[in-house]
Amino acid sequence: DGGITQSPKYLFRKEGQNVTLSCEQNLNHDAMYWYRQDPGQGLRLIYYSQIVNDFQKGDIAEGYSVSREKKESFPLTVTSAQKNPTAFYLCASSIDRIGQPQHFGDGTRLSIL
Amino acid sequence: GESVGLHLPTLSVQEGDNSIINCAYSNSASDYFIWYKQESGKGPQFIIDIRSNMDKRQGQRVTVLLNKTVKHLSLQIAATQPGDSAVYFCAENIRGGSYIPTFGRGTSLIVHP
Repeated sequence: DGGITQSPKYLFRKEGQNVTLSCEQNLNHDAMYWYRQDPGQGLRLIYYSQIVNDFQKGDIAEGYSVSREKKESFPLTVTSAQKNPTAFYLCASSIDRIGQPQHFGDGTRLSIL
Repeated sequence: GESVGLHLPTLSVQEGDNSIINCAYSNSASDYFIWYKQESGKGPQFIIDIRSNMDKRQGQRVTVLLNKTVKHLSLQIAATQPGDSAVYFCAENIRGGSYIPTFGRGTSLIVHP
C-alpha cells in the first residue's frame, strides 16, 4: 500500500546535537511538508517543498533544515539552534500543488535527554 | 493575522449520539476546507472536504456544513462510536495558488460507551 513512512517513531537528542528525521513517500506526490505539533496545539508548518530541489520556509523554520534531493524523500534536521525541540513531528505530502488534501505519516516524537 | 480556530477544545458524547464539531475561519479568500481526524499517536487522516461553492457535503456518517456568511464550518458525525474518539482538525485552503493550509487547534472528541 502507498503511504508515508516516518522514522524513527521515537527519538532522543542530547543537548547540542543535530538529529535528522526521515520521511519517505511512495505516493508519487510532488509536494511535501513538515509540521510540528505541541500538546494541545494545532499543526505549525516548518518547511514545505513543491518540487524536487526546491523548498520554502514555513512559519517556524528557525533551528530546522531540510533537503529535497529525491521526490520521495524529505528529511528534516533539527539543529542545536532549535532551543525547544521536544515535540511531535509530522510529515505530509499532497498530489501536485499546495492546498490539496494532505496525506500524513504517523509522526516522530522527539525528546531531549 | 488571519487564523483558523475551533470553539470547543473537548467534546464528550455518549455512544450513539450525534456529534457536532465547529470551526471558525477568518480568511475570506479561503475557498476549500478539509476536516482531518487524528487518533492518539498517529498522524491526521483526511475525513471530508468541501469547496466554497457548496453549503453541505455528506460522506459516510459525516456531514460538513459551510456557512460563508459567518465564516463557519461544522463537522457532524452521526451515531458516534467509540472508534470516533480522536482529535478533529479543520484546515482552510486557497486552491490553485501557493497558499499553505492553516490548521485549527483541534477538538478532542471523547465517546463514552
